[in-house]
Amino acid sequence: GAGVSQSPSNKVTEKGKDVELRCDPISGHTALYWYRQSLGQGLEFLIYFQGNSAPDKSGLPSDRFSAERTGGSVSTLTIQRTQQEDSAVYLCASSKGQSHQPQHFGDGTRLSIL
Amino acid sequence: AQSVTQLDSHVSVSEGTPVLLRCNYSSSYSPSLFWYVQHPNKGLQLLLKYTSAATLVKGINGFEAEFKKSETSFHLTKPSAHMSDAAEYFCVVSGGSNYKLTFGKGTLLTVNP
Repeated sequence: GAGVSQSPSNKVTEKGKDVELRCDPISGHTALYWYRQSLGQGLEFLIYFQGNSAPDKSGLPSDRFSAERTGGSVSTLTIQRTQQEDSAVYLCASSKGQSHQPQHFGDGTRLSIL
Repeated sequence: AQSVTQLDSHVSVSEGTPVLLRCNYSSSYSPSLFWYVQHPNKGLQLLLKYTSAATLVKGINGFEAEFKKSETSFHLTKPSAHMSDAAEYFCVVSGGSNYKLTFGKGTLLTVNP
């Protein structure tokens, strides 16, 4: 597709369950980012992938959060043993990876933990 | 280190009147600055970007912003608001590593008929 695609668009799950969120970036974009958007915290950087380099995981809030990017394209963000404070919108973005290139965002996954 | 302050959490205008959304930034590097718009249940859409070329930047949908280094500001303007402009607007700065974006807390724009 033409834009960043995220799935599912909405996810409701029980506390303690694991969830996987998927991001399909724009074709040809080497850089991929995950952000979390919540009412109290605004938009927070989570993790950044660039090509084959080691990802920047400095924004991940706990070791329950992990992400991988297979083949330099699709990425999966996994949250283990979900907590209610994990409820948020998770946004994925991609860019051409060169300096000053703008990031293009998907519509996000709205995660609700019961 | 970098930071962004959006001076108004909520701006309300009448349709057809000018829009001004204010943003101040702080950066240890020569920054790149962006404005993004977010409509309900949607992702962020890029309106415009400043990357050290012209200080007056024109974006989509009639928006523009002026980079003022002396005032560390990057305010967003539009001459005439349209109902479809109602959304949340984010001022964003990147610098140094160039990929880590720092977001303002957002300004909710309401457009009244």
